[in-house]
Amino acid sequence: DARVTQTPRHKVTEMGQEVTMRCQPILGHNTVFWYRQTMMQGLELLAYFRNRAPLDDSGMPKDRFSAEMPDATLATLKIQPSEPRDSAVYFCASGFEGRQPQHFGDGTRLSIL
Amino acid sequence: AQSVTQLDSQVPVFEEAPVELRCNYSSSVSVYLFWYVQYPNQGLQLLLKYLSGSTLVKGINGFEAEFNKSQTSFHLRKPSVHISDTAEYFCAVSEVDSSYKLIFGSGTRLLVRP
Repeated sequence: DARVTQTPRHKVTEMGQEVTMRCQPILGHNTVFWYRQTMMQGLELLAYFRNRAPLDDSGMPKDRFSAEMPDATLATLKIQPSEPRDSAVYFCASGFEGRQPQHFGDGTRLSIL
Repeated sequence: AQSVTQLDSQVPVFEEAPVELRCNYSSSVSVYLFWYVQYPNQGLQLLLKYLSGSTLVKGINGFEAEFNKSQTSFHLRKPSVHISDTAEYFCAVSEVDSSYKLIFGSGTRLLVRP
């Protein structure tokens, strides 16, 4: 089965460091989503890309977070500088034409000390 | 704005017993409804979806859900659960006109005991 691949699966780093999370969407999918999952806030949509263009990043803190799609096979989410409150599981999902369902990766568990 | 309420944070149940996980939503426009399951250390998997048509929707792993527009509910049911059904279950809603944007409930942990 085709899968969304996220790397790294786990990341522990100290506050102030730059963090880069990567996502390989399913081949042929043209939409990519970034979500953050925390105990307090649940699942939140951070960013939505279609055909590599960001269409909705209203859920993403603009001062320290950035999301890009350098090409159709790679999406990145960066945090610089990282803070302890950024500790969460970050999920990437991909789909076609923004339609459901979205296919989720297994997530990156991020811990900022 | 839409919202999704899953009133039960945890539902313990014995193996082979029936289970219902409750989901209520709020929206002023037409919506699509979804149930996702999350196993430990994994992403979310789609169990079933309601887009239109029959209000009784059947999904994978023997789960089904019924869309009730008057009660704005989309409860998930399974007649007989297995130990392997232990997981977190999320109800989600999206507007028909902006279907990419999923709003998730807070999740219900289903704990199946032998």
